[in-house]
Parts: sequence; C-alpha cells; structure tokens
Amino acid sequence: NAGVTQTPKFQVLKTGQSMTLQCAQDMNHEYMSWYRQDPGMGLRLIHYSVGAGITDQGEVPNGYNVSRSTTEDFPLRLLSAAPSQTSVYFCASTQDRVTGELFFGEGSRLTVL
Amino acid sequence: KQEVTQIPAALSVPEGENLVLNCSFTDSAIYNLQWFRQDPGKGLTSLLLIQSSQREQTSGRLNASLDKSSGRSTLYIAASQPGDSATYLCAVRGIQGAQKLVFGQGTRLTINP
Repeated sequence: NAGVTQTPKFQVLKTGQSMTLQCAQDMNHEYMSWYRQDPGMGLRLIHYSVGAGITDQGEVPNGYNVSRSTTEDFPLRLLSAAPSQTSVYFCASTQDRVTGELFFGEGSRLTVL
Repeated sequence: KQEVTQIPAALSVPEGENLVLNCSFTDSAIYNLQWFRQDPGKGLTSLLLIQSSQREQTSGRLNASLDKSSGRSTLYIAASQPGDSATYLCAVRGIQGAQKLVFGQGTRLTINP
C-alpha cells in the first residue's frame, strides 16, 4: 500500500533556482493538497485541488504553482526559490474533502541557500 | 478565524501510565477533527477522525473524544509505551474554510522506560 508518495525527500537549492516537488497517490482520491510545515507556524495550506483540472490557492500560495492533469499526480513547482521557502513540504489526499480522513506523504525537506 | 491550541507543548511520563492530550478550538462550526502522530523527520500519520456528529472514536489503546459545543477534544492513550513517543497534532476542518485543516502546534510526548 503506497498511499501518498513524495519525491524528492531532500533537496538543496540556490536562490533563484526552480524545481518541482512530486506527489502521487494510488487511492483514487479526488482531493489533494500541499502544506508547508515551519517551526512556530505549524502546517499551512499552500494549494489544493478538488479533481483533475481544478486547482485553487490556500493561505500561502505566493511563489508556488500547481497543476492537476491526472487524478493521481499533484506536483508543486517553485518558480524562483527564495530562502523563505526553506521548509518541509507535505502532500495530502482524501476521498471526501469535507468528511474524509486526510492522508499525508512522508514530506520533502527543502533548503534554499 | 479558527484557532487550535494544544496544551501542554511537551509532556514526559513513565511507561505504563494512562495519559490525556488536550486540544481546543475557537469556532465550534466544524465538520470534523482529526488526530495525527508525527515522528521526528517523518510525515503525519492519521490516528483518529471524529465527525462533528460523533462524541468519540477508538482505535486500540487510543480513544479520542469531541465536545463540539465547548470546543474541546481529548486524546486518551492507555498503558503508554516508549514507542508512543512522538508529537501529536490535532486539526479541525471548519465549515468556513473547509478546504483546509487548521492545525494545533502539537504536544511532544516522551514515554520514559
């Protein structure tokens, strides 16, 4: 049972570089989301998607792009990395975005120098 | 704006004790509340999900209760073991802003052998 799979687990970037964090789920969940976790700030929603072709912004979307071309995949793109984006990123999914249990991936730890 | 508080921030108890972790939230208009466990450097593992219409949920040695009207939830851990050492997070899905979970800062639990 793979669940929610994130790659890479660790990444170091220089300021201004771009990269994509990958997220895939094999549970046929319609709803997927990205959170970032920072000390003292807790987990905050970046972007979410309620199905293929539909995405929307969360509370901290600036500097990130997402797309949802398939039910399984929900990549998060950093267009021009900044030190403020140093964080641990978590992808999550659920079958029902209102009543469903949310399942998280193992996280991607990103450092921007 | 929904706020979730977990007190204490850290708790250390000897093995075998029964213990209670607390979670409070400011807006009682919620769909559900979810408890997670997070081990250092790892992702969030879902422990229990309580819908707003429910009073409690049980899984093994864990029991979570929900008192929506008072904005409180507790996670009861019976016969604690060193393997229970982790950070425990609670999160609520509000009726307003249902696209995201609002997380508490967590309680870091240490079970001493």
